[in-house]
Amino acid sequence: RKEVEQDPGPFNVPEGATVAFNCTYSNSASQSFFWYRQDCRKEPKLLMSVYSSGNEDGRFTAQLNRASQYISLLIRDSKLSDSATYLCVVRTSGTYKYIFGTGTRLKVLA
Amino acid sequence: GAGVSQSPRYKVAKRGQDVALRCDPISGHVSLFWYQQALGQGPEFLTYFQNEAQLDKSGLPSDRFFAERPEGSVSTLKIQRTQQEDSAVYLCASSLGLAGPTVDTQYFGPGTRLTVL
Repeated sequence: RKEVEQDPGPFNVPEGATVAFNCTYSNSASQSFFWYRQDCRKEPKLLMSVYSSGNEDGRFTAQLNRASQYISLLIRDSKLSDSATYLCVVRTSGTYKYIFGTGTRLKVLA
Repeated sequence: GAGVSQSPRYKVAKRGQDVALRCDPISGHVSLFWYQQALGQGPEFLTYFQNEAQLDKSGLPSDRFFAERPEGSVSTLKIQRTQQEDSAVYLCASSLGLAGPTVDTQYFGPGTRLTVL
């Protein structure tokens, strides 16, 4: 089993739709959680960190469920420019190693 | 300000050749990471430096891979006797503070796309 698992998609949604991605992690000692965005043939860029209490940044909401070992990303009112691959990232306590999921591909359609 | 830069952006090597990939992190960033990203996959951790110290090299796939950061700024990833399975994008990332206990944003360079023929 992979340490961090994501549905690769693609998720094809119309503009204005709400879409949600989940990511599961296997190590219960995982401490830090992030969502990164990667455009085609570009480098990953931090979208948001994920805090225990959940956090929101504009149209984006991230949540962490430690009991079930998953994090989620909700995108409201999808824009064409949201089309990208969304990478879930986890770091285990006491290590310097950041583990990336394979990414979930989102296509927002006009 | 300048971001993370990597060179070369593209590298084609014949099987068996040695290659050296360079990373210039953001000035003043303590932490530096190397990742390998195969097509359709997420980045895979290779190694981590805190200043000049290589604190984690557990992700290096074989002893053909070697990384250094001798003065705590520029880093080089060297691959000896390249194989076809080494073909991938090699990403470098830096962050301001210390990885580990501190949550810190990683800034990625554009990557070096290595093709081994």
